[in-house]
Amino acid sequence: DTGVSQDPRHKITKRGQNVTFRCDPISEHNRLYWYRQTLGQGPEFLTYFQNEAQLEKSRLLSDRFSAERPKGSFSTLEIQRTEQGDSAMYLCASSLAGVGYEQYFGPGTRLTVT
Amino acid sequence: AQSVTQLGSHVSVSEGALVLLRCNYSSSVPPYLFWYVQYPNQGLQLLLKYTTGATLVKGINGFEAEFKKSETSFHLTKPSAHMSDAAEYFCAVSLGAQKLVFGQGTRLTINP
Repeated sequence: DTGVSQDPRHKITKRGQNVTFRCDPISEHNRLYWYRQTLGQGPEFLTYFQNEAQLEKSRLLSDRFSAERPKGSFSTLEIQRTEQGDSAMYLCASSLAGVGYEQYFGPGTRLTVT
Repeated sequence: AQSVTQLGSHVSVSEGALVLLRCNYSSSVPPYLFWYVQYPNQGLQLLLKYTTGATLVKGINGFEAEFKKSETSFHLTKPSAHMSDAAEYFCAVSLGAQKLVFGQGTRLTINP
């Protein structure tokens, strides 16, 4: 059983650098979500895709953030010109479209901006 | 807009005691409700969900939750705590099969 995978698991970068994270969803899932979780808080929604279409973006997703899902399979989340406030756990989840289908989460990518 | 409030950021119980984690939600339409568990440095694992139908839902690891519309609550319970239950627990609400809105989490500690 291959669940949701994320790469890398940990990333340390200097302020001002660009970083890119990858998420591979469960193979038959057509929806893919990105969330951000800061220490001691619950995850906050960033964006989601159905197949390759990006259907919703949170106000948290500033213009320094961009997400893609080019062929409706894996997705990437890029952060340009990282800031210390970007330090967080970035979680990816996938699901089938439709009522009652729960989201399955990956292990997350922990980003530390120094 | 939907929101979730988890009462108590930290709950501590003795091994074998009842676990009760409180969750209240706000939603303008009938919600879908979820409880997830997160172990250190890991992603979230679904414990249970309520969509429609029976208001008492059973999940994994002996947990259950009851949807009470009149109280806008979805509290999580387990009759007898085990040391392996120590983790962070998140209540979440969604409209349909879209984004989840999470509470701030409750850290559960089990005392031997």
